[in-house]
Amino acid sequence: NAGVMQNPRHLVRRRGQEARLRCSPMKGHSHVYWYRQLPEEGLKFMVYLQKENIIDESGMPKERFSAEFPKEGPSILRIQQVVRGDSAAYFCASSRSTGEGTDTQYFGPGTRLTVL
Amino acid sequence: AQTVTQSQPEMSVQEAETVTLSCTYDTSESDYYLFWYKQPPSRQMILVIRQEAYKQQNATENRFSVNFQKAAKSFSLKISDSQLGDAAMYFCASEYSGAGSYQLTFGKGTKLSVIP
Repeated sequence: NAGVMQNPRHLVRRRGQEARLRCSPMKGHSHVYWYRQLPEEGLKFMVYLQKENIIDESGMPKERFSAEFPKEGPSILRIQQVVRGDSAAYFCASSRSTGEGTDTQYFGPGTRLTVL
Repeated sequence: AQTVTQSQPEMSVQEAETVTLSCTYDTSESDYYLFWYKQPPSRQMILVIRQEAYKQQNATENRFSVNFQKAAKSFSLKISDSQLGDAAMYFCASEYSGAGSYQLTFGKGTKLSVIP
């Protein structure tokens, strides 16, 4: 049973370029979460999605960042016109539905974004 | 809003000894979950243990156990018989399912070193 998959593991972009980060949840999981980890910091919540719906984007910067989780395919976190401050590790987590909500979140290996 | 505080930036323990990592949290909610995640140098986030707030019994997973003091809003992690592979960053996290979102709130982490 494969875990949460993220690709690429490392991504280098120049300022002003676009970054696309992909996340495939665990089999049977319909909830996806994105978190960002700055150096020497804990993870910060960005967005929570279910298939074709954004449920909570309270942690997403208002500009340049967007996320989607289409009916088919992986979840995508997109960062337009990247700046050096976007350099961080981006983690995706997934969970399955339960009768009372969702279960424990399991994390992918992360994508380390470096903006030159 | 929830907050999670880890007051020990770094800890060390002798191999085979026991160590306790501290965590306090702040929430006004009665229904929530608490977690400890481990992040080794590979940066993969690995679930160590989970505690439901409505359960009085402390969670245990092999050498890992928690001391959950709900009234004091304290959730410490005890690692018994420490092994070299336990060396990692440890993050305490809380999850509140209000308003349909299940975002995790993380502390800043404790770096654990294991001395052979």
